[in-house]
Amino acid sequence: QVQLQESGPRLVKPSQTLSLTCAVSGGSISSGGYYWSWIRQHPEKGLEWIGYISYSGNTYYNPSLRSRIIISIDTSKNQFSLKLSSVTAADTAVYYCARLINGYNYFDYWGQGTLVTVSS
Amino acid sequence: DIQMTQSPSSLSASVGDTVTITCRASQYISTYLNWYQQEPGRAPVLLIYAASTLQSGVPSRFSGSGSGTDFTLTISSLESEDFATYYCQQGYSIPFTFGQGTKLEIK
Repeated sequence: QVQLQESGPRLVKPSQTLSLTCAVSGGSISSGGYYWSWIRQHPEKGLEWIGYISYSGNTYYNPSLRSRIIISIDTSKNQFSLKLSSVTAADTAVYYCARLINGYNYFDYWGQGTLVTVSS
Repeated sequence: DIQMTQSPSSLSASVGDTVTITCRASQYISTYLNWYQQEPGRAPVLLIYAASTLQSGVPSRFSGSGSGTDFTLTISSLESEDFATYYCQQGYSIPFTFGQGTKLEIK
């Protein structure tokens, strides 16, 4: 059973960089056919796909956030990370990491999510 | 971006009822349509992928259909644990996008 767990600061100041890591257990992050994704959900709102990375390091980002995002992967630690720069209060959300199945592009395993608040 | 529109936004039903939620894409997405269930404070859970394929472990009272731009999620014989929010998601093109959600409440 694959499990994902987000970690990182829960409070970030405006204009700073939000950094989160997703640790994957129960399977190798280097397995083919999967992409490792970040998704966020603003309070009481819907879901927004942020971007994904393959085990080889290929990335695709949501164009709405592309200028501020970096997603990276560390196969030796079986984890991947998100950096979102120049944050504002509008970036306050629950951030989820998830495994994306290539092909029909659906998210079959999700982390529990972590609420990140942007506030001074 | 492909816009996903769900209807209704909320729905009241009773245990044992059958309900249908609709998802419409702003452009053709073939069968690249997935459904999730989310309970308050929890991560979404995959129910159906490729419009009609039931994810392993999901009860058979959940079913999906559709292709092109119009899709439905049907829940037969509602059980108490089914009262949650449901989201559709298109996997046809980047950026992947979700519907706004349908909240299923107990009548």
